[in-house]
Amino acid sequence: NAGVMQNPRHLVRRRGQEARLRCSPMKGHSHVYWYRQLPEEGLKFMVYLQKENIIDESGMPKERFSAEFPKEGPSILRIQQVVRGDSAAYFCASSPGIRIEAFFGQGTRLTVV
Amino acid sequence: QKEVEQNSGPLSVPEGAIASLNCTYSDRVSQSFFWYRQYSGKSPELIMSIYSNGDKEDGRFTAQLNKASQYVSLLIRDSQPSDSATYLCAVTGNQFYFGTGTSLTVIP
Repeated sequence: NAGVMQNPRHLVRRRGQEARLRCSPMKGHSHVYWYRQLPEEGLKFMVYLQKENIIDESGMPKERFSAEFPKEGPSILRIQQVVRGDSAAYFCASSPGIRIEAFFGQGTRLTVV
Repeated sequence: QKEVEQNSGPLSVPEGAIASLNCTYSDRVSQSFFWYRQYSGKSPELIMSIYSNGDKEDGRFTAQLNKASQYVSLLIRDSQPSDSATYLCAVTGNQFYFGTGTSLTVIP
């Protein structure tokens, strides 16, 4: 049973470009969480999705950021018009249900130049 | 007030000693509690989950939960240098709330 898969592992974007981060949850998991982490800092919650629904997006900036988890395919975190401050590690985690163990992917390291 | 609070450390213990990591949470209706370990540059790895009051043991790790005091802890017995990492406490309410983590260094 494959773990949570994130791709790409490393992503370099120029300022103003779009970044698309993908997260394929573990088999049987319908809940996905996205977090951002700056070096030497904690995990910052961004968004919680269930298949086709956004449950909680309270941690996601209202501009430039969006997330989806379609019926088929991976969850996507999209950052439009990236700025240098978006440089961070982005982790997703998946869970089979609410309040049940969540497992993390290896993360996407985004660098904006 | 933060949802989940942890002492950021750093916590240093000698090899073979017991490391004690603590976490408090603010939401009384929280139902599930987890400890994750994160090595530098890596993703968090689940090491313990606990759902009811009391102790839960798994190898060298023991998680302790006291819902009345809104407190959860992790004990690591016979600490090894490979245990040196940041330990994250997580609590579920409407989503997973993470503490900022406690940095542990085990000195050989």
